Amino acid sequence: DTVLTQSPALAVSPGERVTISCRASESVSTRMHWYQQKPGQQPKLLIYGASNLESGVPARFSGSGSGTDFTLTIDPVEANDTATYFCQQSWNDPWTFGGGTKLELK
Amino acid sequence: EVQLVESGGGLVQPGRSLKLSCAASGFTFSNYGMAWVRQTPTKGLEWVASISTGGGNTYYRDSVKGRFTISRDNAKNTQYLQMDSLRSEDTATYYCARHNTLNYFDYWGQGVMVTVSS
Repeated sequence: DTVLTQSPALAVSPGERVTISCRASESVSTRMHWYQQKPGQQPKLLIYGASNLESGVPARFSGSGSGTDFTLTIDPVEANDTATYFCQQSWNDPWTFGGGTKLELK
Repeated sequence: EVQLVESGGGLVQPGRSLKLSCAASGFTFSNYGMAWVRQTPTKGLEWVASISTGGGNTYYRDSVKGRFTISRDNAKNTQYLQMDSLRSEDTATYYCARHNTLNYFDYWGQGVMVTVSS
């Protein structure tokens, strides 16, 4: 299975820029997608196809990368961005998710 | 507004069966592939199974092949997950999710808890 590795946690101040990384154990082309999950809620799609912003998602969110290295950027971070962010690949079977990066605000 | 509402979760003994349902609304159900994704604190998010628009093609992760069956009824705008021979490691919150063409999940239900324990 394709393993997606994310840093467990990050802490930033409101107004700052944050990058969340996701590294794949093998190439996933640009079939990388990002989700936001707040406590007690279901995941919400933010970015699909590595860099495409889902409709209704603020332009503060952006994604980049291809192959094995991907980033989700939030700029500027706002207080309600406190959440866990997951990457997911859909290039290799089975589709897999990263372990999540918990974003906390200082 | 797209809505996905799961039901059918609960506590079940190992080796027994459970059937989850997901009622969809707010979109043309028969135009979209559908999936089940589960989440646990230890294993995180795991894709479980997917089904094509007409139901003719189904896909499963290895650990549930032969035990779980995904199906759909387009007339009722509902998908199902029949779970047989349940194991403790199937304990999780199960989410119904809508597929998009690149096989990401653009809408998720609120989730339903399944606990497998004696």
